[in-house]
Amino acid sequence: AQKVTQAQTEISVVEKEDVTLDCVYETRDTTYYLFWYKQPPSGELVFLIRRNSFDEQNEISGRYSWNFQKSTSSFNFTITASQVVDSAVYFCALSETNTGNQFYFGTGTSLTVIP
Amino acid sequence: DGGITQSPKYLFRKEGQNVTLSCEQNLNHDAMYWYRQDPGQGLRLIYYSQIVNDFQKGDIAEGYSVSREKKESFPLTVTSAQKNPTAFYLCASNTPGSSSYEQYFGPGTRLTVT
Repeated sequence: AQKVTQAQTEISVVEKEDVTLDCVYETRDTTYYLFWYKQPPSGELVFLIRRNSFDEQNEISGRYSWNFQKSTSSFNFTITASQVVDSAVYFCALSETNTGNQFYFGTGTSLTVIP
Repeated sequence: DGGITQSPKYLFRKEGQNVTLSCEQNLNHDAMYWYRQDPGQGLRLIYYSQIVNDFQKGDIAEGYSVSREKKESFPLTVTSAQKNPTAFYLCASNTPGSSSYEQYFGPGTRLTVT
């Protein structure tokens, strides 16, 4: 069973629009971590944010914000006023402390921001 | 500058040849990982190592081998037994349980086998 589901395979938006990338996870652990990564065309994954299971506080960093809701097992990522440089593939990941700290990645959402 | 280096960036091999992909980190991380990424797909774990001289198979270890003789280095060998080796390979490292738990990634190696 997929532990991390990113149902949106591809999204296209026009520059300056807001866009939300969905991430749903599945775990039985009480202690776990959630992550978002950005993969630009160059290929290297860039870490964006980490959230642990005990901290449901939403986070805002510039144009980026994250909404963590344990009740729905979701960790969604919103980009406000999107820019062309935001075009990339975005991955959500889960790490469970009871499974050897492995990371489980979703299949990614490819975001294209059209100028 | 601390980080992870992978070399080479592009690698071409003939079918039937073994090939070794390099991964070096100077972040003093305990754990290192190898992932495979195919076009339009997510990352799949090949092998990981949490300490020197120890490693575990991931989800798709068949046809691959690794070693961890030094903390800084975790080379991956793609053997001729790997049926479909052409892919993008990413190396990562972290220190589980630390304050900075996230995995850091290298720039990747794109392997093409013909």
